[in-house]
Amino acid sequence: NAGVTQTPKFQVLKTGQSMTLQCAQDMNHNSMYWYRQDPGMGLRLIYYSASEGTTDKGEVPNGYNVSRLNKREFSLRLESAAPSQTSVYFCASSELWTETGAYEQYFGPGTRLTVT
Amino acid sequence: SQQGEEDPQALSIQEGENATMNCSYKTSINNLQWYRQNSGRGLVHLILIRSNEREKHSGRLRVTLDTSKKSSSLLITASRAADTASYFCATDAKDDYKLSFGAGTTVTVRA
Repeated sequence: NAGVTQTPKFQVLKTGQSMTLQCAQDMNHNSMYWYRQDPGMGLRLIYYSASEGTTDKGEVPNGYNVSRLNKREFSLRLESAAPSQTSVYFCASSELWTETGAYEQYFGPGTRLTVT
Repeated sequence: SQQGEEDPQALSIQEGENATMNCSYKTSINNLQWYRQNSGRGLVHLILIRSNEREKHSGRLRVTLDTSKKSSSLLITASRAADTASYFCATDAKDDYKLSFGAGTTVTVRA
């Protein structure tokens, strides 16, 4: 099993360009997440999809859109990239939480994005 | 905003020594999780401890949780060079099941 895969691994964009980051998981998980990681700040949640057909904003959604294409795939789109979006982006998946709390998340290898 | 904060920010130890790092959080939680991130890679789940548990072990890892102090600690015993990584705690608050990550502790194990 590949687990969580992300494409591309690296990307350089000019300010104002758009792009879509792709994520797929083969663990039959219901929930998927997009995070960004900046130096010294840990991971911050951009958007998540608790289950197929639903998406919700996380802590830092401005400038991003998402699509839950099917149970396996969850994409993140930057419509008009800005230098502040230079970051490492991680996709993750997990079982849907229950009343006892969240389950462990499985992470992809990340996409390193630079916006000039 | 980040729920968990790790302490120290960085830690350097000799191979074979123990490494201890702490995590403090602000609100009541369901569970607390610890993750490891090797340089340039994604995070890997290490251990999950529920709010009604006080201690949990997994191999050379020992996690404690003190909900009265809103804090947790991760102990790595007999450290190896392969333990060099950043370690993050993550919590999911009551009625909000999304994970909130701290900024991490960077551990360097010297040979």
